[in-house]
Amino acid sequence: QVHLVQSGAEVKKPGASVKISCKASGYTFTSLHMHWVRQAPGQRLEWMGQIKPANDRGNYAHKFQDRVTMTRDTSTSTIYMELSSLTPGDTAVYYCARDGGNYGDSEYWGQGTLVTVSS
Amino acid sequence: QSALTQPASVSGSPGQSITISCTGSRNDVGYYNHVSWFQQHPGRAPKLMIYEVTKRPSGTSNRFSGSKSENTASLTISGLQSEDEADYYCCSYIGSGAYVFGTGTTVTVL
Repeated sequence: QVHLVQSGAEVKKPGASVKISCKASGYTFTSLHMHWVRQAPGQRLEWMGQIKPANDRGNYAHKFQDRVTMTRDTSTSTIYMELSSLTPGDTAVYYCARDGGNYGDSEYWGQGTLVTVSS
Repeated sequence: QSALTQPASVSGSPGQSITISCTGSRNDVGYYNHVSWFQQHPGRAPKLMIYEVTKRPSGTSNRFSGSKSENTASLTISGLQSEDEADYYCCSYIGSGAYVFGTGTTVTVL
């Protein structure tokens, strides 16, 4: 049974960085791509990027390219998303999601992590 | 990359069929057969309903179907039920390992 469990809520000040984790279980961790998607309060879903756990290679949305880093730890089957230079506009729920081997078939999602950026 | 365009809201009565459109460009929806649809209830994580334009994951009701014509993809919900009331988002592959979501549509069951 596939499970994605994310780290807890974070409160950060503008200019700081945040690092969120997503621990996977129930399948071979290195076999499938994983994505990060965020959703600001009352707003639409926004794709941030994806990582291939097999080789730690990431693809990022242009909007976040300069300040996002996605990594993985194969020893704990965990992926991480670090976002730097935070502003109040980064306040959102951040989700990890796992592909199923086809394009865009993210059937499994984490529970979401609320990041609040406030002075 | 701008968000794909969806109507803000669509409504229908129980038992009716509704269709949600998702308009992109010849560089995304029009070029790739990699459009997905997600359902999201308030406070919950998104749920995959359709992928690769027409494919349903196991467990997704066959009342949900997807299609595409040129730069516009569509999600049709037939036999509308109260539990279908939710937000729906399309998502398209745009090349180079990247994706973009739509603006989102709120479905209301009257």
